[in-house]
Amino acid sequence: KNEVEQSPQNLTAQEGEFITINCSYSVGISALHWLQQHPGGGIVSLFMLSSGKKKHGRLIATINIQEKHSSLHITASHPRDSAVYICAVINYGGSQGNLIFGKGTKLSVKP
Amino acid sequence: GAVVSQHPSRVICKSGTSVKIECRSLDFQATTMFWYRQFPKKSLMLMATSNEGSKATYEQGVEKDKFLINHASLTLSTLTVTSAHPEDSSFYICSALLDRVFGYTFGSGTRLTVV
Repeated sequence: KNEVEQSPQNLTAQEGEFITINCSYSVGISALHWLQQHPGGGIVSLFMLSSGKKKHGRLIATINIQEKHSSLHITASHPRDSAVYICAVINYGGSQGNLIFGKGTKLSVKP
Repeated sequence: GAVVSQHPSRVICKSGTSVKIECRSLDFQATTMFWYRQFPKKSLMLMATSNEGSKATYEQGVEKDKFLINHASLTLSTLTVTSAHPEDSSFYICSALLDRVFGYTFGSGTRLTVV
């Protein structure tokens, strides 16, 4: 079983829909990143959070440390949101470069 | 904001040659740089951790002599793929920890194709 599980693996939505991507983890963490990877490869950090909720534009990220679960929400989705979204947990005291990645959720938003 | 600049973004090389990939930290000093490899439709796999002024730490199964890492300054880390083989074709990306408030930042990645 992977230490970081994301769901769904693939998601197709119509423009304007509200989208939720989930991340569950089984290890102790210091914080969690939500990352975005566009075709072409570059990775951008959307959020880093260790508790509660963060909002940036149409993106909202929440985390529940007790339940070991985080969600990424996209409101009013747009085709330019199409990308792979990756959850990565951080353990500053651990190995593996302190980051453990989920396998990603491929989002496709249709116009 | 603080970023990591990675070059080249794409490179095609012949089997047997060597390829150098650079990651530079802009506006901050990166004492540690992490190098990842990503296979198609797979998550990032840590290859090695480079530390400024000391030897890199390689993950199990990663050949030190094949993937040479140098971190000669606080702003530059390089990964050299030596005697490249088609099996080395992959997406390579570097990352550095900004701080414990903002977390990690990532390079834009290098798509290596060995022909």
